[in-house]
Amino acid sequence: DTAVSQTPKYLVTQMGNDKSIKCEQNLGHDTMYWYKQDSKKFLKIMFSYNNKELIINETVPNRFSPKSPDKAHLNLHINSLELGDSAVYFCASSQGTGLNQPQHFGDGTRLSIL
Amino acid sequence: AQSVTQLGSHVSVSEGALVLLRCNYSSSVPPYLFWYVQYPNQGLQLLLKYTSAATLVKGINGFEAEFKKSETSFHLTKPSAHMSDAAEYFCAVSGGNTGKLIFGQGTTLQVKP
Repeated sequence: DTAVSQTPKYLVTQMGNDKSIKCEQNLGHDTMYWYKQDSKKFLKIMFSYNNKELIINETVPNRFSPKSPDKAHLNLHINSLELGDSAVYFCASSQGTGLNQPQHFGDGTRLSIL
Repeated sequence: AQSVTQLGSHVSVSEGALVLLRCNYSSSVPPYLFWYVQYPNQGLQLLLKYTSAATLVKGINGFEAEFKKSETSFHLTKPSAHMSDAAEYFCAVSGGNTGKLIFGQGTTLQVKP
């Protein structure tokens, strides 16, 4: 069983479009994250939700809007896609926000903007 | 503020040779450190974590890391490399009580037959 699953795995779309990425975890965790991995493989946190409450919002353009309908789901909606949005987006989850809590990652969504 | 620096973006070893991937951290508080591995087209998988219980931490797949406060280092080692170890390795430090992870730049490990 996949612990953290993201859909779609690949997303190819044109500049200016709006798209969503979905994430679900079946680990019973209460905290979920979105990370962006750029073409140089650098990973950076974007957002985090704990018990459906936004706790991290890292200087991300407001074209990006996360939404957590419940603790098991965290979706990412992107408006007016730009070329620079091309990246791999990873969802992750953890039990709590403690310093020593490991995060479990999905396999990523590869977003390509034409 | 916390940060990590991985020395060497690319490391190449022969199968059976020692693997050494370097990570140095900067933290104003006692750090919580992690090593993750990313195989091609997959997400990150936790290899091991340091949480101050012991300076030598053993992880999965034969990897281990030693926390050295005097050197602000947390290098990852494996005595004998396997072809299946070829992947991207990330060192990370916990960025506070929000659960945020701050990642290093990553090191690509190549294993030659």
